[in-house]
Amino acid sequence: DAGVIQSPRHEVTEMGQEVTLRCKPISGHNSLFWYRQTMMRGLELLIYFNNNVPIDDSGMPEDRFSAKMPNASFSTLKIQPSEPRDSAVYFCASKVDGSSYEQYFGPGTRLTVT
Amino acid sequence: AQSVAQPEDQVNVAEGNPLTVKCTYSVSGNPYLFWYVQYPNRGLQFLLKYITGDNLVKGSYGFEAEFNKSQTSFHLKKPSALVSDSALYFCAVRDEGGSYIPTFGRGTSLIVHP
Repeated sequence: DAGVIQSPRHEVTEMGQEVTLRCKPISGHNSLFWYRQTMMRGLELLIYFNNNVPIDDSGMPEDRFSAKMPNASFSTLKIQPSEPRDSAVYFCASKVDGSSYEQYFGPGTRLTVT
Repeated sequence: AQSVAQPEDQVNVAEGNPLTVKCTYSVSGNPYLFWYVQYPNRGLQFLLKYITGDNLVKGSYGFEAEFNKSQTSFHLKKPSALVSDSALYFCAVRDEGGSYIPTFGRGTSLIVHP
């Protein structure tokens, strides 16, 4: 398996623009997580999907952020409008359902908003 | 509620010496404990986990961790450090009877000096 796939790997955009980050989880994994990593705040959970349904979105910072999972093999995280403080590395992770299983992380998308 | 603490932001060790990266946790029920490693510009990578059974867990790259219920700790260890072990290490915990979402520590930067 190719692992968790994220695109793009790098994104540079101007403040106010819409940004869409994409994730393809590992086939057969039915739990998907979006995280944000910064030096200041460390690793933050943004949203958790199970069987394509958002279960916990309490980490989504504000209404500018939205996430969807239209099917088991694809998820998006959208920021509209983007702001410089959104600059971070965004990770997608997937896992098999079940409490004892580990997560598999994608390579991340490094977002820079100028 | 579940929480995890990594008391050291950075650990420095000489190559060939043993290393320890500390992790303590708090859960209401039984803990599921995980260690992940993050190399520069990469996503987190699973190292090892404790679910049940032997308190000493062996994982990838020669790493091991010891579950200590009385001290609520799960320290990561390696008998002989390599320069290539230099990376960011994350401890994570899940309460067996709680949410499916693990809680991550803030990470510990391990620097192995030649």
